[in-house]
Amino acid sequence: AQSVTQPDIHITVSEGASLELRCNYSYGATPYLFWYVQSPGQGLQLLLKYFSGDTLVQGIKGFEAEFKRSQSSFNLRKPSVHWSDAAEYFCAVGGGATNKLIFGTGTLLAVQP
Amino acid sequence: EAGVAQSPRYKIIEKRQSVAFWCNPISGHATLYWYQQILGQGPKLLIQFQNNGVVDDSQLPKDRFSAERLKGVDSTLKIQPAKLEDSAVYLCASSLMRGGTGANVLTFGAGSRLTVL
Repeated sequence: AQSVTQPDIHITVSEGASLELRCNYSYGATPYLFWYVQSPGQGLQLLLKYFSGDTLVQGIKGFEAEFKRSQSSFNLRKPSVHWSDAAEYFCAVGGGATNKLIFGTGTLLAVQP
Repeated sequence: EAGVAQSPRYKIIEKRQSVAFWCNPISGHATLYWYQQILGQGPKLLIQFQNNGVVDDSQLPKDRFSAERLKGVDSTLKIQPAKLEDSAVYLCASSLMRGGTGANVLTFGAGSRLTVL
């Protein structure tokens, strides 16, 4: 069955520190992978996506993610976190005949001054 | 381009009452999705439309939830009668995808927050 696991429910980092949010997926075929961010009271905004090609993908707001097929992972990284990055982050996997998008449970990021 | 529009943004009802949510997707987007996001969880797909046909409604509680997409544009999601566990944010999304496999990027609306008392 298709699934996405985000092992960290809540993460706190200091402003200026580096960040890595973990995402593991289970998918029978070549997955399409996504990271979305959700600020309080807002919808989901696409940060970046992986469809094929270079396994290191760049996104908006200085985020990047690396697809590692051998580890079934698609971790999100940012070298220096800003206070405005505080939000909830969702990893998702899609594909198949209907291109159904399946989300993880999210990681809530808090940023300390 | 204009984004995905949803209304109302907030709704409070009592259990056993009915409620309807409206979604207007991005112009030209063939595929429309309704997701349910319960507090503390990731979004869960309720129903997916391709133009005005249903592609996937396997997780839609059909005894109380219904959805339609007339003329392949706007969509309405209805809950009748509502239960306490229906309290959630209902997210509408749309994409260009016109069927078949391939990469598909969803654009989400701001959501409609439902509280059932």
